[in-house]
Amino acid sequence: AQSVSQHNHHVILSEAASLELGCNYSYGGTVNLFWYVQYPGQHLQLLLKYFSGDPLVKGIKGFEAEFIKSKFSFNLRKPSVQWSDTAEYFCAVNNAGNMLTFGGGTRLMVKP
Amino acid sequence: NAGVTQTPKFQVLKTGQSMTLQCAQDMNHEYMSWYRQDPGMGLRLIHYSVGAGITDQGEVPNGYNVSRSTTEDFPLRLLSAAPSQTSVYFCASSLWPSAPEAFFGQGTRLTVV
Repeated sequence: AQSVSQHNHHVILSEAASLELGCNYSYGGTVNLFWYVQYPGQHLQLLLKYFSGDPLVKGIKGFEAEFIKSKFSFNLRKPSVQWSDTAEYFCAVNNAGNMLTFGGGTRLMVKP
Repeated sequence: NAGVTQTPKFQVLKTGQSMTLQCAQDMNHEYMSWYRQDPGMGLRLIHYSVGAGITDQGEVPNGYNVSRSTTEDFPLRLLSAAPSQTSVYFCASSLWPSAPEAFFGQGTRLTVV
């Protein structure tokens, strides 16, 4: 069975700081990788996804993620965070035909 | 385009009561699923459906029932509510299980006292 680990449960940053959220998964085959964001009081929204090709994926709002197959990782990055990035971030994985498996989530608080 | 609509948004139940969480999508998606979100545990799959008339269990199905009589609707039933079912519930839909994007409803915050 596939599983997803997000090592940082809570992250607090000041505006303009750089962000990197870790995500590791356990599945040896071909996977699809996702980052979802949940702003306070809202539903989950897709931030970015990786299916194949260039392992560096760019998403909305200046976020990007890098797929490193040898490390089973798909870390999320943003060079300069804003107060409006305060949210909970979820890494998710699936393989062909299977449903999404989510990590435990990382709560990001950006101080103005 | 409404997307995925969940009702109600909030609900308080007494232990032992039953209720149905409603989920409807208007995107003609075959795949629908229910997740529960608990602090530090992410979203865990309760039940899912790959099409009308077909449902299956996810990671945490105990205490919940589902049915899929139409493509649009996928209700989740709590048979006899327990405090352990206090959670936020999300319904999601996609074209197929590994589709590029899953669309989520606004969530239902359920408290069982």
